[in-house]
Amino acid sequence: DVKVTQSSRYLVKRTGEKVFLECVQDMDHENMFWYRQDPGLGLRLIYFSYDVKMKEKGDIPEGYSVSREKKERFSLILESASTNQTSMYLCASSGVKETQYFGPGTRLLVL
Amino acid sequence: AQSVAQPEDQVNVAEGNPLTVKCTYSVSGNPYLFWYVQYPNRGLQFLLKYITGDNLVKGSYGFEAEFNKSQTSFHLKKPSALVSDSALYFCAVRKGRRALTFGSGTRLQVQP
Repeated sequence: DVKVTQSSRYLVKRTGEKVFLECVQDMDHENMFWYRQDPGLGLRLIYFSYDVKMKEKGDIPEGYSVSREKKERFSLILESASTNQTSMYLCASSGVKETQYFGPGTRLLVL
Repeated sequence: AQSVAQPEDQVNVAEGNPLTVKCTYSVSGNPYLFWYVQYPNRGLQFLLKYITGDNLVKGSYGFEAEFNKSQTSFHLKKPSALVSDSALYFCAVRKGRRALTFGSGTRLQVQP
């Protein structure tokens, strides 16, 4: 069974803090993605990675960075958290067959 | 640029009745199209996809979707709705890059 796990289900951080969201997949997938989900906006792509140490900006990369040091792990970093980054963050992975598999999500609240 | 539209924020249907959740897309060439479902406080679960071939695609939990190239639509359907189908449904398209472009989502409410 496919599995994508995210390090936290809920996080509360303060404005200006550096925040790390971790994602791990056990399917040996090449591609990994970070999206944020906001009501009425659907899912928007922040960054994706198609190989170790490779990354590409998505539609809303501002205020975020990513790291992929190992194939199974893709980290999203909020360098200095702001209240407008309060959101649900979803990680996904995919292999050659296109279908993306999602983790359970991390609900981040920035105060 | 590719885009997806889900024109209905919410769809209400009685249990046992057929349901349709609408999706239209805008992309050049031949798209890859997907439907996902999200239950409360959960990630997205894959339902079905269209890559090529038969325009009617069957997926999980009795759902199916019809690809219509002339109308650029990919509507999700189910012959008989269940209360447990109540959830948030997302249509997505992939073309030209590995990531997906999602619609804004449609909340399906099935009443007993």
